[in-house]
Parts: sequence; C-alpha cells; structure tokens
Amino acid sequence: AQKVTQVQTEISVVEKEDVTLDCVYETRDTTYYLFWYKQPPSGELVFLIRRNSFDEQNEISGRYSWNFQKSTSSFNFTITASQVVDSAVYFCALSQAGAGANNLFFGTGTRLTVIP
Amino acid sequence: SAVISQKPSRDICQRGTSLTIQCQVDSQVTMMFWYRQQPGQSLTLIATANQGSEATYESGFVIDKFPISRPNLTFSTLTVSNMSPEDSSIYLCSLQESNTEAFFGQGTRLTVV
Repeated sequence: AQKVTQVQTEISVVEKEDVTLDCVYETRDTTYYLFWYKQPPSGELVFLIRRNSFDEQNEISGRYSWNFQKSTSSFNFTITASQVVDSAVYFCALSQAGAGANNLFFGTGTRLTVIP
Repeated sequence: SAVISQKPSRDICQRGTSLTIQCQVDSQVTMMFWYRQQPGQSLTLIATANQGSEATYESGFVIDKFPISRPNLTFSTLTVSNMSPEDSSIYLCSLQESNTEAFFGQGTRLTVV
C-alpha cells in the first residue's frame, strides 16, 4: 500500500526566512516516483519536482531544494529566503514506476503562509 | 509536455442536478485519472479512465454517482450526478505517462447549493 504523510498541516514564516516542509512515505515498491506540487489559492496544481527512487541526489532549483533520504523514506522540501508568493498549499505525492501510467497518492498537504 | 484543458473552471449548481466536467488533452494518452479535492483536504483518486473500457473506480466511488466517458485518447468527461452539498469540491483530471511528470487540468471548483 502507498501512503504519504505530511505531519505539518500549517506553517507560518516571516518573509526571507527559510522553511522546510516534511514528507514521509510508505511503499512496498522497489521503484517509485516522488513529487511535490504547489497549489496556490487559485486551485491549480503546479508541478515542482519529480524524483525517481533510484536517484538519491539532492536537487536545487533556485530558492527550492529537495532532500531525498531513502533510508528514512523522506523527501523534504526547503524554500530558502521565502517570499509572499510562496504562500500556498504544498503536496507531496508518490506513484509507482514502471511501464504505463500510474495515479498519484497524495499527502494531506502543508499550508504555508509567508508573512510580509 | 502535455496540456490539459478542463472546463468548466467553476460552477454553482442546485442540489439534485448533474454536472459534466470535460478534459481535453493535446496529445493521445492511454489513461486519465479523475481526482476529487474536498474543501481543505488532499486529493483523492475517484477513478482511472482507460480508453476503450469501463473506468475503474476506487473504493467509495461508484459509476452511478460519477459516470465517466472516454470516447477517444484525447478526451474524457466526469459527471457528478444527483448532486448534494457534500459534492462541493474541486475536481481535477490528470494524466501521467510513465516517464514524465503528472499533468493536471486547471480544476473545476464545484459548489452545490
């Protein structure tokens, strides 16, 4: 069974602070994908990153960075020097890998509020 | 990357009526997925829509309530039938090819009054 846990339901930070959003997952699959999505108040889902379970390298994209730790089944997301535009709900998700299409299992989301 | 056009973007409907949500993809895809996001909640998979066969529904969702059509490889519809206020949610269609990100439509924000 697939499961994604985001224990932080809401986080508030002051602008320019760094913030880390936690994600822990469970799966019996040996290969899988992990995702982060941003959902601003408008409601659409904005893709941020997809990580293959084979690739444990951390990734940095501008102010965003991701720390994948397979040993602890965690895929945490850090925003450096947060901005008001970062205010949104962030979802971590998991899907099976392999041939064909697979649906995503989502965590419950973390609502981030960046205070100016 | 695939582009999904979903409509309507929002609607306010009377209880007891039905609403059909449409998703058009700019490329051919085998499977599409429909999700529901209740207010303040995460996304839950409703069903998987495979072209040429009946949709596969997740536990808690039934075809009579959420009929799905998949007439070709670029289009799908989800109908929310006999609506009640509890059906007020955001509904999203999605696709994920095996080696790409998962793409989502813009979502349909449904309010049932």
